[in-house]
Amino acid sequence: RKEVEQDPGPFNVPEGATVAFNCTYSNSASQSFFWYRQDCRKEPKLLMSVYSSGNEDGRFTAQLNRASQYISLLIRDSKLSDSATYLCVVNPRGGADGLTFGKGTHLIIQP
Amino acid sequence: DAGVIQSPRHEVTEMGQEVTLRCKPISGHNSLFWYRQTMMRGLELLIYFNNNVPIDDSGMPEDRFSAKMPNASFSTLKIQPSEPRDSAVYFCASSLGPDTNQPQHFGDGTRLSIL
Repeated sequence: RKEVEQDPGPFNVPEGATVAFNCTYSNSASQSFFWYRQDCRKEPKLLMSVYSSGNEDGRFTAQLNRASQYISLLIRDSKLSDSATYLCVVNPRGGADGLTFGKGTHLIIQP
Repeated sequence: DAGVIQSPRHEVTEMGQEVTLRCKPISGHNSLFWYRQTMMRGLELLIYFNNNVPIDDSGMPEDRFSAKMPNASFSTLKIQPSEPRDSAVYFCASSLGPDTNQPQHFGDGTRLSIL
């Protein structure tokens, strides 16, 4: 089983809709979780950290389910500018270790 | 504020040649990471440094790859000799330090093509 797995998509979603995608991770001892966003031919950028109690940042909501070992990202009222690849990221061991990235879910918001 | 600076942005060279990629982390950041991204394998960690010391190089594909960080403001990733399968985008990232919730800031990447 891969360390971090995501549905590659693409997810084609009309503007204004709500979209959600999940990511599963294999290491039950994983310490930290993040969602990064990567635009075409650009570098990954941190979108948000994922906290155990779930957290929200504007239209974005992230949740963690440790029992089932998955994290989720929900985007409400999607905008055309939300079109990007969303990378699920796990820090398996904690500390200043390098992060383990999923291959990403490609999201396309259609007008 | 200056972000992570990588050079060159693009590199095209013939197989067998030596390739050197450069990175300047954000000032004050103590951790530096080198990643490689391909369509097939996604983003993979190659090596990371804390306070200029290599901590984990288990992601370095083979002996042809080497990385150094001679000081807090500069790191290199070298491939010698280069092969076509090394073609990828190489990212450098830095973070403040050994806190799991410190975000990593990525440079623009170097697009490497080995012919």
